Amino acid sequence: QVQLVQSGAELKKPGASVKVSCKASGYTFTNYYMHWVRQAPGQGLEWMGIINPNGGITSYAQKLQGRVTMTRDTSTSTVYMELSSLTSEDTAFYYCARGRSGYTYDLGYWGQGTLVTVSS
Amino acid sequence: DIQLTQSPSTLSASVGDRVTITCRASQSISSWLAWYQQKPGKAPKLLIYKASSLESGVPSRFSGSGSGTEFTLTISSLQPDDFATYYCQQYNTIGTFGQGTKVEIK
Repeated sequence: QVQLVQSGAELKKPGASVKVSCKASGYTFTNYYMHWVRQAPGQGLEWMGIINPNGGITSYAQKLQGRVTMTRDTSTSTVYMELSSLTSEDTAFYYCARGRSGYTYDLGYWGQGTLVTVSS
Repeated sequence: DIQLTQSPSTLSASVGDRVTITCRASQSISSWLAWYQQKPGKAPKLLIYKASSLESGVPSRFSGSGSGTEFTLTISSLQPDDFATYYCQQYNTIGTFGQGTKVEIK
């Protein structure tokens, strides 16, 4: 069965960076896009970007361009999302999510979420 | 960027009610729209993809319709497990979400 297991909660100071991991299992890692979506407490969903594990090509939401970097390690079937220059507005749950079918943008499988708190 | 506007923001309903949520796109997205259900403390769950296709395992009381700029999610007979927040997502151009519709108990 498809599983996406994310790393644990993080507490960061303003200006720092955070790197969240998402380990995939139960399917062929390179055959599906992986997305990152975040959700501030009590707020809606925000699509952050996408990585194609087959080749590592990425596309990011314009709002986050220059601050977000998504990478992958095919040897461990893990994708990473790094966000830099953190502010309190980056406090949120961060989710990885796999495309439902192949290279699609509808999100059929989600990780459990990682809470990133930015506070001095 | 394509904007999605959901209405209403909050909906009060009773078990057994027929419920309809609307999602409007700022420009045509063909049928590239998905619907998700989210419960507190949980990740979203895909219900509908490509505007009207029911995801495997999702009860048939959920249905989606529409194309172009106007879409609806309908729950034919609201069940206790359906009280949650619902989001639409367009993926004609990347993947923006609507602001959400909370379905609460009347």
